[in-house]
Amino acid sequence: AQSVTQLGSHVSVSEGALVLLRCNYSSSVPPYLFWYVQYPNQGLQLLLKYTSAATLVKGINGFEAEFKKSETSFHLTKPSAHMSDAAEYFCAVSADNRKLIWGLGTSLAVNP
Amino acid sequence: NAGVTQTPKFRILKIGQSMTLQCAQDMNHNYMYWYRQDPGMGLKLIYYSVGAGITDKGEVPNGYNVSRSTTEDFPLRLELAAPSQTSVYFCASSYQLSYEQYFGPGTRLTVT
Repeated sequence: AQSVTQLGSHVSVSEGALVLLRCNYSSSVPPYLFWYVQYPNQGLQLLLKYTSAATLVKGINGFEAEFKKSETSFHLTKPSAHMSDAAEYFCAVSADNRKLIWGLGTSLAVNP
Repeated sequence: NAGVTQTPKFRILKIGQSMTLQCAQDMNHNYMYWYRQDPGMGLKLIYYSVGAGITDKGEVPNGYNVSRSTTEDFPLRLELAAPSQTSVYFCASSYQLSYEQYFGPGTRLTVT
């Protein structure tokens, strides 16, 4: 069975600081991994995805994530936070032609 | 392409009333999903469909019904609204079950 855990339901950073949002997964077969962003009062939007190609995946808005099989992690990073990055971020995993399993989300606050 | 569209954006229902949340996609996706999102609880899958005429229950199907008569449309029916159904509802679609999902803008429903 697959599962996904997002460590930290709330993360706060200063503008210009590094953003690190943590996601760990469990899967018995090679997974697909996704990060989504949800801005206030909007639907979810795909940030980036890992589908067994390059382990370092670049997404929109300067975000990237690295697939680390040995650590079963897919953490999301951005070198320099911007006020517009304040949002809810969701990690999801799927494998073996099964439905996506969603993490509970991490709310990112960016302080001026 | 409009992507995934949902109507209405907002709705207030009285206890015991019924309503249908509309969802349509123009990407020719076979797979469609209904989620509800409550604060701090992430996304909960209500129902999903793998193609016209085929639907299946998700994690929280009680109190809801769906139908899928065409590839494009996937309406969600609430028969006897209860306060516990106050939530934000998202419709999504995907090309394959384990691929990225595309989300609509959501419907905010309040039952009083």
